[in-house]
Amino acid sequence: GDSVTQMEGPVTLSEEAFLTINCTYTATGYPSLFWYVQYPGEGLQLLLKATKADDKGSNKGFEATYRKETTSFHLEKGSVQVSDSAVYFCALHGGATNKLIFGTGTLLAVQP
Amino acid sequence: NAGVTQTPKFQVLKTGQSMTLQCAQDMNHNSMYWYRQDPGMGLRLIYYSASEGTTDKGEVPNGYNVSRLNKREFSLRLESAAPSQTSVYFCASSGHGQGAREQYFGPGTRLTVT
Repeated sequence: GDSVTQMEGPVTLSEEAFLTINCTYTATGYPSLFWYVQYPGEGLQLLLKATKADDKGSNKGFEATYRKETTSFHLEKGSVQVSDSAVYFCALHGGATNKLIFGTGTLLAVQP
Repeated sequence: NAGVTQTPKFQVLKTGQSMTLQCAQDMNHNSMYWYRQDPGMGLRLIYYSASEGTTDKGEVPNGYNVSRLNKREFSLRLESAAPSQTSVYFCASSGHGQGAREQYFGPGTRLTVT
């Protein structure tokens, strides 16, 4: 079945460091891919999305490119801030099922 | 425009007690979902409702029931709570067409069963 694998955390970075959180997926058909962010004590918010191969989603300085050849959707940001500290979830919405499949989440902690 | 709202925010139950978690959305979305979030396991789908009047089981439905009361509201009921149901519960909704793939989440209900 469809699945998402993302790197385990926590990821601890200093402010202004470069961020990469890896995400790979397995899916039949042509899934849409998402990154969600969960700030402490809150629900999930959609951060960015890509609906087809080679699409790049971007928002708030974060980017991720839908790579069908490597079945990946890695999240990147050039310069993280303390306010980016949160849990990040990679997810796919597959063609086979009408459901979102989530990775286990990666905790990012940014230190000043 | 409040988006997705959930009540209560926090709840403590004793084993065997029952309760209903409420969820409402004001985005005129067709589909609604209930998830639970546990450490190291991401989000797991409990039940979903693709449209008013329909409900379907997700990945972990045992011990739960749902009601799609109308297009806006989707409730989750625990008939006899167990410690294994201690979790954070999120409700979500999504629209139709390509927008059906994006889900919007409520703030969550933190449930502890002792």
